[in-house]
Amino acid sequence: AQSVTQPDIHITVSEGASLELRCNYSYGATPYLFWYVQSPGQGLQLLLKYFSGDTLVQGIKGFEAEFKRSQSSFNLRKPSVHWSDAAEYFCAVDLTGGGNKLTFGTGTQLKVEL
Amino acid sequence: GAVVSQHPSWVICKSGTSVKIECRSLDFQATTMFWYRQFPKQSLMLMATSNEGSKATYEQGVEKDKFLINHASLTLSTLTVTSAHPEDSSFYICSARPTGLAGGPTGELFFGEGSRLTVL
Repeated sequence: AQSVTQPDIHITVSEGASLELRCNYSYGATPYLFWYVQSPGQGLQLLLKYFSGDTLVQGIKGFEAEFKRSQSSFNLRKPSVHWSDAAEYFCAVDLTGGGNKLTFGTGTQLKVEL
Repeated sequence: GAVVSQHPSWVICKSGTSVKIECRSLDFQATTMFWYRQFPKQSLMLMATSNEGSKATYEQGVEKDKFLINHASLTLSTLTVTSAHPEDSSFYICSARPTGLAGGPTGELFFGEGSRLTVL
């Protein structure tokens, strides 16, 4: 079955440290790939997306993600985490190509220690 | 950026009553809006696609008679949970894509802040 896996439910990093959040998908073709962030009391905000082309995509707030076809992965990275990055992060895929039906991972809760 | 607002943010109701949740795009028009349900510590599950002026398209396993969706205008979609029961308690989230070139298949979806429903 098609699925999106975020293996880490919780991650804690120190402020200023680097961050990598993992995302793997299970699907035959390359889907559209997204990372969203959800802060308490706010709606999901798009960090970045990959449709085609350069496999390293830059997003907002200093985030980037790399698509690796061989590993069916789309990991999110940030070189230096800020305390304000504490939130829940969701990886999502669009398997239909129409941009409508997003399948979300279970999310990774990021805690930042000062 | 574009804003999608949901109301109410949280609601508590008695079992057997109906609850309406509104999803509004505040600064853009949206022909299509989407309703999701999020269980604790689980991912968002797409419930239905709301189309302005026509019937909603429901995902497999979602009861259309229990979750009534009305998309009466280009800025408003409503989800009514009818005869709510405790198992309907959840976090409901809507999203919308701007109509027009910016809202094409690869256009960004904008999400509301969610509505938490608790059925006693």
